[in-house]
Amino acid sequence: GEDVEQSLFLSVREGDSSVINCTYTDSSSTYLYWYKQEPGAGLQLLTYIFSNMDMKQDQRLTVLLNKKDKHLSLRIADTQTGDSAIYFCAETPAGNMLTFGGGTRLMVKP
Amino acid sequence: DAGVTQSPTHLIKTRGQQVTLRCSPKSGHDTVSWYQQALGQGPQFIFQYYEEEERQRGNFPDRFSGHQFPNYSSELNVNALLLGDSALYLCASSLGGEDTQYFGPGTRLTVL
Repeated sequence: GEDVEQSLFLSVREGDSSVINCTYTDSSSTYLYWYKQEPGAGLQLLTYIFSNMDMKQDQRLTVLLNKKDKHLSLRIADTQTGDSAIYFCAETPAGNMLTFGGGTRLMVKP
Repeated sequence: DAGVTQSPTHLIKTRGQQVTLRCSPKSGHDTVSWYQQALGQGPQFIFQYYEEEERQRGNFPDRFSGHQFPNYSSELNVNALLLGDSALYLCASSLGGEDTQYFGPGTRLTVL
């Protein structure tokens, strides 16, 4: 398909790990991004990965990239209630424009 | 270090009216991009401004226009508003050719 795809919803318990998955479309994207959006707010850049990398770790966040399958994932270790939000993956298929997925709503239960 | 700012926060208009939204980029950034986020969806790219010119445009009609000023701030104008233009309008800034974009808090536009 032509869309960046994400699952709609993920529910985890506080302290567990969360894994949010994304399938992107354009293998020429130089960077792939993860943004977080809390209710009524703008987008917060969480992390990004350069297309020639397989993995990037940044504190509790781990990004895995499988270029063959055009699959991107975000793992959040020790998930906290403050991590409850909508998470968007984004690619850059043409120039600097970001193409977003539909977002995954993460709910963290205490 | 000031982040991206947008004004106003909220706006209510009626069909057929015109609206102007404003954005100031993050300090040191010279490129501004605009996105429309309908309720429950991911943001959609409208256009990007660099050196006071539209550099790239998404799939939006000509009713959507913009401007960038010498101080790198930007405006988004929407003419002949439709009910379907109701959305959160997000501004993002970046530096030159770098991809990494930082977003403002958005302007919530409601068209009645």
